[in-house]
Amino acid sequence: KQEVTQIPAALSVPEGENLVLNCSFTDSAIYNLQWFRQDPGKGLTSLLLIQSSQREQTSGRLNASLDKSSGRSTLYIAASQPGDSATYLCAVNSSYKLIFGSGTRLLVRP
Amino acid sequence: ETGVTQTPRHLVMGMTNKKSLKCEQHLGHNAMYWYKQSAKKPLELMFVYNFKEQTENNSVPSRFSPECPNSSHLFLHLHTLQPEDSALYLCASSQVSGGADTGELFFGEGSRLTVL
Repeated sequence: KQEVTQIPAALSVPEGENLVLNCSFTDSAIYNLQWFRQDPGKGLTSLLLIQSSQREQTSGRLNASLDKSSGRSTLYIAASQPGDSATYLCAVNSSYKLIFGSGTRLLVRP
Repeated sequence: ETGVTQTPRHLVMGMTNKKSLKCEQHLGHNAMYWYKQSAKKPLELMFVYNFKEQTENNSVPSRFSPECPNSSHLFLHLHTLQPEDSALYLCASSQVSGGADTGELFFGEGSRLTVL
């Protein structure tokens, strides 16, 4: 059974810092991995999708990497801003389903 | 309207009421999903519809009844709910090309349900 874990559960950083969010999964047989952002009380916004054949994807200040063999993905946020404050969710596409981690709650302090 | 829209955004209902949540996607996708998000728990997949056919029922109690009349619309009919069913219900859609790959999912804003 696929399980997805995100570490840390919460993170508080000063504005301008570069930061890394971690995601690990137990079954390496995945089709793709997706990173989402969720603001309080809102839905999920897709940030990046990495196919199983890819090593990384970039969008603006965001860079996501995938190491399928070790069951890990990281989301790198460069030059963090207060507007980046949100919960970041990792989800693994495994056998017809998207399995989610519990998320990392990020606070970027001005 | 663009993306995935959900109505109502907020719903308060008693345990004996019957209500429905509605989801509409404007992305031309062929698959739609219902997820439940409870406090301090990961998102839980409830139902999956591919080409209007239900392909997944993740052991959801029968008091939740999905309906997918066409590939753009998805409903979740609610009846005789319990207070522990209070949660954020999220709808998503994706384009499934075949096989077990769900493709990239796009979510709506969710319907916040409170059961008294």
